[in-house]
Amino acid sequence: AQSVTQLGSHVSVSEGALVLLRCNYSSSVPPYLFWYVQYPNQGLQLLLKYTTGATLVKGINGFEAEFKKSETSFHLTKPSAHMSDAAEYFCAVNLNSGYALNFGKGTSLLVTP
Amino acid sequence: EAGVAQSPRYKIIEKRQSVAFWCNPISGHATLYWYQQILGQGPKLLIQFQNNGVVDDSQLPKDRFSAERLKGVDSTLKIQPAKLEDSAVYLCASSLGPGVSGNTIYFGEGSWLTVV
Repeated sequence: AQSVTQLGSHVSVSEGALVLLRCNYSSSVPPYLFWYVQYPNQGLQLLLKYTTGATLVKGINGFEAEFKKSETSFHLTKPSAHMSDAAEYFCAVNLNSGYALNFGKGTSLLVTP
Repeated sequence: EAGVAQSPRYKIIEKRQSVAFWCNPISGHATLYWYQQILGQGPKLLIQFQNNGVVDDSQLPKDRFSAERLKGVDSTLKIQPAKLEDSAVYLCASSLGPGVSGNTIYFGEGSWLTVV
C-alpha cells in the first residue's frame, strides 16, 4: 500500500528563515503526492499537489515542493517563513484506486520572532 | 462556493453511548470521505463513497461504526457504542470523483468527539 513518512514531528524556524519539511513516500505505482496545512481547530487545506509533469510544484502562500523519484521524496519548502505559517503540515499519497489519501503523521511548524 | 459542511462541531458523550455526525459535501462532488484524526496523528480514512456506493471501508470498525449516503449527497457517520479511544476529530471531505486523477479533496472543519 502507498504510504508516506514525515521526518520530524516538530520543526522550529526563525521568521524569515528557510522552511524545509521532509516527506518520503513508498508506492508500488506512480504516486500522486499532496501537501495539506491544518490551522488550529480547522480542517485541512491543500497547499499543492503533484500528479504528473513538472516535478517542481508551486502552491499557495509561497510554498513549493519537488518530486524526486530517485530519492522517493516530496519535501516542502518556503524561502522565507512568516509567523502566519505556524501550523500542522501533512504529506499525503493516493491510498487506493479511488484516489483517497493516505496521510503522514504530520509536522508541526513553529515560527519564532 | 460553499465548502464541506459538518455538524455538530463538538460533541461530548459517555462511553457506550451513541453519536451521529452529518456531512454535506460540495455541490456536484460525487466522492465523499470520512476520516478519523486522533490528536497528534494524521487523518485516517474510515470510508469512501462514490455517489451512494461504498468504494473503500477497509479501515472502518464495522462492529461499532456505520456510515451511509443514501441519496448520493449528504452522509451520516454513526458510532454505537462509543469507546474512549473513539475520541477524535471526524473529518468529512469530498471531491469530484475518482475519474479525475489527482483530483483535489476538500475537507470540512471537522466534528470533535470526546468520549468520557
